[in-house]
Parts: sequence; C-alpha cells; structure tokens
Amino acid sequence: QKEVEQNSGPLSVPEGAIASLNCTYSDRGSQSFFWYRQYSGKSPELIMSIYSNGDKEDGRFTAQLNKASQYVSLLIRDSQPSDSATYLCAVGFRYNFNKFYFGSGTKLNVKP
Amino acid sequence: EAGVVQSPRYKIIEKKQPVAFWCNPISGHNTLYWYRQNLGQGPELLIRYENEEAVDDSQLPKDRFSAERLKGVDSTLKIQPAELGDSAVYLCASSTGTGLVGYTFGSGTRLTVV
Repeated sequence: QKEVEQNSGPLSVPEGAIASLNCTYSDRGSQSFFWYRQYSGKSPELIMSIYSNGDKEDGRFTAQLNKASQYVSLLIRDSQPSDSATYLCAVGFRYNFNKFYFGSGTKLNVKP
Repeated sequence: EAGVVQSPRYKIIEKKQPVAFWCNPISGHNTLYWYRQNLGQGPELLIRYENEEAVDDSQLPKDRFSAERLKGVDSTLKIQPAELGDSAVYLCASSTGTGLVGYTFGSGTRLTVV
C-alpha cells in the first residue's frame, strides 16, 4: 500500500482555466504537507506548504487540506503553459517529521 | 545564498563499475537527504543524515550502496558495483530539520548504467 497516492494523469486544461490536483495519504497523524513542481529533466521545486485544515493561498496557487478525509489538493488558477509540469505531493508522517513520502506525481499539460 | 550543489550532473558507466556522487547542502542545513527518482516515479528516500549521523538508512541497499557525511557538511553516495537497475536520478536535498519546512533539492545526478 502506497503511503501517498496521486493520479498520474496527464491532466490537460486549457490556458486560463483552473487546474485541480489531488493527493491522498494513509497516515491520519500526518502533520506537514507539501507540493513540489518538477519540470521535465529538472529537480523538484517547493511551491506550497500547508499544515492546518483549510485553504492556503499564494498568488495563483491554493493548497487545500482536509485531514479528516486525508487528502490535500492544489488549485492553480489562470493556468499558463509555463505551469505544464509534474506536480509532486509530499507528506511528513506522524512519527518521522523530517522524512517526507512523495507521491508519484501528476503530470499537468496546459494547452494554449 | 547558494543552493544545494551536486556533481556530476550526468554519469554513464558500465555495469559492475563503481560510481560516486557528491553533494554540498545549503549552509546551516543540518539535515541532508539522498533520494533516488526513477522515471515517472516520485523520489524515494535512500538515507537521511542529521549532522554527520545517518538516522534513517532503511531504504539503502547496503550490499552495494554506501554513504558518508564527514564533518556534517558535504556528503558522498557511492555505488559499487553498479547494476543496470541503478539507472535513475539521484537527488540530494537539505533542510533545517524541523519537519515543518520543505526540502531544497539539488539539480540531481542522472546515472545511466549500460
């Protein structure tokens, strides 16, 4: 059983639309949640972190966390072709805060 | 501030040969990680250091992989001998170690074993 699960995609959205990326995790006691963006051939880049239930907004990005349902999502408003990348969800579990488990990523394609 | 520095960027070796990767973390980051990322997969932890101590190496294939972090700064990951299945991107990351901030990754080393 994978600890962190993501739909591999690809998720295709037109330019200007809202892209919605989802992630579920297995450990109900998880404390920290992160979204990384990874362009092809590049290393992951941290774009959002969230620790409490609810929404956290940063520019065009909104992270949403629901610990009761054990999912975290990332919304990208006004999607741009430059947002086309793989988005990785990472979760810090209860007993090992400094160790993050990564999902396999969702590939996002934003079509002009 | 310089980011996490890794070298080499690419490496092609024949199977059964040794290979080593080097990482210099962000200054002041006590926690250093080595991850392996296979194509189409998320990064998987190989080993985590707190200063110079390896505190989590449960995923490190110890028969062929070794790592060290002398003086709690730079780190080296070695594979000997390499196998075809070791072809992957090896990522180094560092953090302040609080668990409440994300990692910063280096540019990675793409290893191809032929």
